[in-house]
Amino acid sequence: RKEVEQDPGPFNVPEGATVAFNCTYSNSASQSFFWYRQDCRKEPKLLMSVYSSGNEDGRFTAQLNRASQYISLLIRDSKLSDSATYLCVVNRYNDMRFGAGTRLTVKP
Amino acid sequence: SAVISQKPSRDICQRGTSLTIQCQVDSQVTMMFWYRQQPGQSLTLIATANQGSEATYESGFVIDKFPISRPNLTFSTLTVSNMSPEDSSIYLCSVQGETEAFFGQGTRLTVV
Repeated sequence: RKEVEQDPGPFNVPEGATVAFNCTYSNSASQSFFWYRQDCRKEPKLLMSVYSSGNEDGRFTAQLNRASQYISLLIRDSKLSDSATYLCVVNRYNDMRFGAGTRLTVKP
Repeated sequence: SAVISQKPSRDICQRGTSLTIQCQVDSQVTMMFWYRQQPGQSLTLIATANQGSEATYESGFVIDKFPISRPNLTFSTLTVSNMSPEDSSIYLCSVQGETEAFFGQGTRLTVV
């Protein structure tokens, strides 16, 4: 079993749609959690950290459920520029583990 | 934040040869990380490089194949040795800040 598992995707949605990505992790001792965005042929960049209390950044909302070892990312009012691969990342003592990524394509 | 300069950005190499990838960070960092990202896959950690000691390799990766140098706190190299087409991948270096990881731009390697 992979340490971090994500929805395989791809997700193809129209502009303005709401889309949700899910992620589960296997190591209950994991300490911190993130969503990274990776554009085609580019390096990953931090989108947002994920906290148990949930956090929101504009159109993006991230949730963490430690009991279920589950992480989610919700994107509201999708834009064309949201098209990318979204990586779920779990960190324990500077050991970062990446999910395989979920590819999102937002179409006009 | 940290800015990482990684080079080369891409290369096409003959099988059996070796390629050395360099990463320069704009600040001193204790640990640098080397990842591989195969087409359509996520990042897989190859090894962690600490200055002044031997790199720590993940399962499935060995020093003879992926020797790493870490001569100081701002620089590291990864060599892909005796390459085969299976080594075709993107290689990324990374450092960790207080709240996030930063990546080099990646090296896209094609072995023919």
